[in-house]
Amino acid sequence: GENVEQHPSTLSVQEGDSAVIKCTYSDSASNYFPWYKQELGKGPQLIIDIRSNVGEKKDQRIAVTLNKTAKHFSLHITETQPEDSAVYFCAASNGGTGNQFYFGTGTSLTVIP
Amino acid sequence: GAVVSQHPSWVICKSGTSVKIECRSLDFQATTMFWYRQFPKQSLMLMATSNEGSKATYEQGVEKDKFLINHASLTLSTLTVTSAHPEDSSFYICSAPRAGDHEQYFGPGTRLTVT
Repeated sequence: GENVEQHPSTLSVQEGDSAVIKCTYSDSASNYFPWYKQELGKGPQLIIDIRSNVGEKKDQRIAVTLNKTAKHFSLHITETQPEDSAVYFCAASNGGTGNQFYFGTGTSLTVIP
Repeated sequence: GAVVSQHPSWVICKSGTSVKIECRSLDFQATTMFWYRQFPKQSLMLMATSNEGSKATYEQGVEKDKFLINHASLTLSTLTVTSAHPEDSSFYICSAPRAGDHEQYFGPGTRLTVT
């Protein structure tokens, strides 16, 4: 089955700096890679996703890059703000409605004001 | 986006009792729903896949007789924790994919505390 690894487990940055979280996956059949933000006591919220036919996607301060050959994808947050502090999870799926998501272990991001 | 709700948001029950958690897709139909368990500072662990009109599929190591899943309709799945014990205390989250979407829509989670 799929194995998703995520690094780092914790990350502290100064407000305004950039944050990068990296994930690797093992199954070449995976073709959908979402990123979720989870605040304490709440369910995960999708912040950005990317499909395997795209190498990069950007949404304001958030971007995701995908390297299919190396089987890794990364989340980039620029101009970080204190409200970006949360736990971030990457996931991989082989697509299709109802297919299982395989989650990374999570990164706890702290943005220091 | 699509909305998934869970009820209750938190529940406290005594050891040995059963508790039911509901997961509803509010504005779309979901033939499949997923149930996850999350311990503090850990990732989401898939417990089972709930299928409307058929039996749930449980992940290895998850006791199907303890965690009963019923997908009663295209908008409702329930997870019943039977004979709960303190070690069942956890954060339970459901998700549902919408037809045509790769994305899964997550509920807000249910905090279960067994005393």
